[in-house]
Amino acid sequence: SQTIHQWPATLVQPVGSPLSLECTVEGTSNPNLYWYRQAAGRGLQLLFYSVGIGQISSEVPQNLSASRPQDRQFILSSKKLLLSDSGFYLCAWSVGGLETQYFGPGTRLLVL
Amino acid sequence: DAKTTQPPSMDCAEGRAANLPCNHSTISGNEYVYWYRQIHSQGPQYIIHGLKNNETNEMASLIITEDRKSSTLILPHATLRDTAVYYCIVRPPGGGADGLTFGKGTHLIIQP
Repeated sequence: SQTIHQWPATLVQPVGSPLSLECTVEGTSNPNLYWYRQAAGRGLQLLFYSVGIGQISSEVPQNLSASRPQDRQFILSSKKLLLSDSGFYLCAWSVGGLETQYFGPGTRLLVL
Repeated sequence: DAKTTQPPSMDCAEGRAANLPCNHSTISGNEYVYWYRQIHSQGPQYIIHGLKNNETNEMASLIITEDRKSSTLILPHATLRDTAVYYCIVRPPGGGADGLTFGKGTHLIIQP
């Protein structure tokens, strides 16, 4: 069966520090991968999605970036965090052509 | 994606059936209706989806009206663990690898 992992589960970072969040998927090949953010009390916002290694599409311009170094690995990064980057970051996967997305447990980020 | 309208909140007694409505009057002929839920502090969880016919799985049933302009998600025997925000989403098949658009959903509260 397929599983999706995210780490860390929680993170507290100072403003201006770098960020690296990792997501890995097991049990499937060539998945579509997604990064979402959910700010406190708000809905989910799609940040990035990827249909393959090295292929990244950005939905919202900001100080975050994403990379996909391996088929089942998706990384969210920032060189300098802002207070507004605080939120709940969710990774998800789907199989091409199907619309069902499966979400990871999320990373809760607090920027102070 | 077609727009959906859901009540902001609903209560249901434990053990009773929870019926969550969704209006999608602008749905196109090839668009599917998807339901997800998000339990507090967790990632969204896929529940069920359908096109025209009613669907049932181990979690819930989905009833889609004949004109497809609305649907109802039914949790047959609600438990306290079903307390969550429920999202109704309309998407075309193979609508791309881009992300899901989550509205505000319905906050379902199961009362003991």
